[in-house]
Amino acid sequence: DGGITQSPKYLFRKEGQNVTLSCEQNLNHDAMYWYRQDPGQGLRLIYYSQIVNDFQKGDIAEGYSVSREKKESFPLTVTSAQKNPTAFYLCASSKRTQKETQYFGPGTRLLVL
Amino acid sequence: AQKVTQAQTEISVVEKEDVTLDCVYETRDTTYYLFWYKQPPSGELVFLIRRNSFDEQNEISGRYSWNFQKSTSSFNFTITASQVVDSAVYFCALSEAGIYNQGGKLIFGQGTELSVKP
Repeated sequence: DGGITQSPKYLFRKEGQNVTLSCEQNLNHDAMYWYRQDPGQGLRLIYYSQIVNDFQKGDIAEGYSVSREKKESFPLTVTSAQKNPTAFYLCASSKRTQKETQYFGPGTRLLVL
Repeated sequence: AQKVTQAQTEISVVEKEDVTLDCVYETRDTTYYLFWYKQPPSGELVFLIRRNSFDEQNEISGRYSWNFQKSTSSFNFTITASQVVDSAVYFCALSEAGIYNQGGKLIFGQGTELSVKP
């Protein structure tokens, strides 16, 4: 079955710690995205990647970093510079950008200890 | 500016009632795409439908129907004979096709939480 997997489901971060959220897809999609969702709000774009070894900042990239070394994988690191990281993080992918439909993974909930 | 507005924060209905979720959008592009996603309590966003700006045909899929009107910049979603399993948060989203959105960013509304009671 093709799809998008995210791990872990829940993640706890201590002050000053960097944490990495995993996103893997086996849909053979070129484009991948990271969104952040805060309670009662819509999703906001953090980073996106249209092709391997290339990625672009979204609307709220500060305090986050990504890599795209493989087509299937697009991990997101929440750095200590992100002062308010508690949120639900959703990864998505699409065949290409713009006109294609984005499909989402199950999400990772990040909490600060 | 691009924006999606879902004015209804929460809607509560009794099973078998019809319910319409409103979505109004703003865009600077003449070509764009509109989406509806469902977010059940598990959290995953489930894709429901995509419409292109040049195709104003309404769509029906089982109990779901969508009314796209460019004249009022609206893309409303109706559930007929609602069921308890329809309880979820529903998001409307916009993706512009112009050069300002090479990355295909989705602009989301704030979502409408639908509660269907038995």
